[in-house]
Amino acid sequence: SQQGEEDPQALSIQEGENATMNCSYKTSINNLQWYRQNSGRGLVHLILIRSNEREKHSGRLRVTLDTSKKSSSLLITASRAADTASYFCATDGGGADGLTFGKGTHLIIQP
Amino acid sequence: KAGVTQTPRYLIKTRGQQVTLSCSPISGHRSVSWYQQTPGQGLQFLFEYFSETQRNKGNFPGRFSGRQFSNSRSEMNVSTLELGDSALYLCASSFQTGGANYGYTFGSGTRLTVV
Repeated sequence: SQQGEEDPQALSIQEGENATMNCSYKTSINNLQWYRQNSGRGLVHLILIRSNEREKHSGRLRVTLDTSKKSSSLLITASRAADTASYFCATDGGGADGLTFGKGTHLIIQP
Repeated sequence: KAGVTQTPRYLIKTRGQQVTLSCSPISGHRSVSWYQQTPGQGLQFLFEYFSETQRNKGNFPGRFSGRQFSNSRSEMNVSTLELGDSALYLCASSFQTGGANYGYTFGSGTRLTVV
């Protein structure tokens, strides 16, 4: 079953603009991770934020985590056509239950 | 270093048959997990192996099974295939120490089509 939801389900923006995706989850977590998937291929790990962290940066990516609201956001700045993909958040409860994924946000960057 | 290798990339099987998918993790990674991705259900956890032991299994019927070898390579098997088993099967390896997970590296997946 899905842990939570990404919002929006689809997002189309112009190249150079910033893209923000949100993720909500339901249970307590050890960490939350964001992944990118191009055209039904494998998932690429983007960034991991631990439950005791509030914000993390990696290149053009900025992730925030609010455990009180059980939500996270992924910001991609200065978007490029190559950023067109589906983005998934995944929660890790810290046990052996693997990752629990949201349904994903499909991001389209218009050239 | 080499990534996670899944074979085969594509597979077409007939209902009722069985199938075995293979996953070779990143060297040094002892944890391998499997996920099923379908348009309707999204990404769902199948099972996780660590040092040849299945640590947990998701909510899938007994037709789905797996194993891990001493070199950490893993296989998953689906018996008596159903049309609904058509999906992208993803394998991920991770480095874990002290119970902490440092992120997963996924393979490119095996696209299984059941006809």
